[in-house]
Amino acid sequence: NAGVMQNPRHLVRRRGQEARLRCSPMKGHSHVYWYRQLPEEGLKFMVYLQKENIIDESGMPKERFSAEFPKEGPSILRIQQVVRGDSAAYFCASSPTGGGFQETQYFGPGTRLLVL
Amino acid sequence: KQEVTQIPAALSVPEGENLVLNCSFTDSAIYNLQWFRQDPGKGLTSLLLIQSSQREQTSGRLNASLDKSSGRSTLYIAASQPGDSATYLCAAGGTGAGSYQLTFGKGTKLSVIP
Repeated sequence: NAGVMQNPRHLVRRRGQEARLRCSPMKGHSHVYWYRQLPEEGLKFMVYLQKENIIDESGMPKERFSAEFPKEGPSILRIQQVVRGDSAAYFCASSPTGGGFQETQYFGPGTRLLVL
Repeated sequence: KQEVTQIPAALSVPEGENLVLNCSFTDSAIYNLQWFRQDPGKGLTSLLLIQSSQREQTSGRLNASLDKSSGRSTLYIAASQPGDSATYLCAAGGTGAGSYQLTFGKGTKLSVIP
């Protein structure tokens, strides 16, 4: 039973380019979360998605960032016109239900984005 | 807004020592408190989850406690081993409709010296 998969593991982009990060949740999980870890900072919640729905995007920057979780295929975090401040590790997590007292989230290995 | 603080930021101990990692949070109305382990270049591994109604959880050499009223949690590692070297993250599970939202501390980087 494969865990949460993310690709690419490392991504280098020049300022102004687009970055597309992919996440495949664990089998049987329909809830996906994206977190960002800036250098020397803790992980910060960005967005929570279910299939074809964005449930909570309160942690997403208002501009340039978008996320989707289509009916078929992985969840995508898209960053348009990247800037150096976007350099970070982006983690995806999944869970079987959407939270609660005893539910943990299962994290992928992350995508390290470097903007030159 | 929930804030999570972990002390110390880094810790180095000789193999075999028992140790305690500390975590504090500002909003006590949490669903749960979780401890994760993060190895360099890898994702997070869930270690222990303490529900808001519980006081502690144990798994092998690990014991985590929760005191909601004081906004504190501790992770106790017994008989530390070099393989325990990693960054340990504390995360407060959100409240109400935002129960899925984890708020993380910056972590404690642990080095266990053989």
